[in-house]
Amino acid sequence: GENVEQHPSTLSVQEGDSAVIKCTYSDSASNYFPWYKQELGKRPQLIIDIRSNVGEKKDQRIAVTLNKTAKHFSLHITETQPEDSAVYFCAARVSGYSTLTFGKGTMLLVSP
Amino acid sequence: DVKVTQSSRYLVKRTGEKVFLECVQDMDHENMFWYRQDPGLGLRLIYFSYDVKMKEKGDIPEGYSVSREKKERFSLILESASTNQTSMYLCASSYQGSSYEQYFGPGTRLTVT
Repeated sequence: GENVEQHPSTLSVQEGDSAVIKCTYSDSASNYFPWYKQELGKRPQLIIDIRSNVGEKKDQRIAVTLNKTAKHFSLHITETQPEDSAVYFCAARVSGYSTLTFGKGTMLLVSP
Repeated sequence: DVKVTQSSRYLVKRTGEKVFLECVQDMDHENMFWYRQDPGLGLRLIYFSYDVKMKEKGDIPEGYSVSREKKERFSLILESASTNQTSMYLCASSYQGSSYEQYFGPGTRLTVT
């Protein structure tokens, strides 16, 4: 089955810096890659996603890039703010399947 | 606005007890999922269902069963709770169509003593 590796497990940045979280996947048939944000004590929520026919997608301060050849995708957060502090999960979905395989998560801490 | 609710936020049970966790969604989603969340292990799929009375095992189904008698409700059952099932349990739902977003419930923190 699909395997998703996520790095780093923790990331500390100063407010205003950029943050990058990287994920790799194993199944070349994966075609959908969402990112979820989970604030402390709250439920995971989708923040951005990308499909395999697109190389990059942006939404204000967040962007996701996808390299199908290398089978990796990354989340980029620019101008980080304290409210960006949360656990971020990447995931991958194999074409034809309904389930997602999640990475182990990255705890992002943004210091004022 | 999608709403996924879970029957309890916190639950404490004794070893050997039968435990029911319930999840209800109000968006007529075909798919429903049960995950277990443990620190450093991410979200691991226990079971999912793509229709009423239909279920598929996920990555860690041992010690769990599920029931989906109505489209909006998906139950996770621990037949005989054990201490290693102490965890946060998250339910999610999604459409089967082109929109793949999974909407999560608030979670149930289960402690088995």
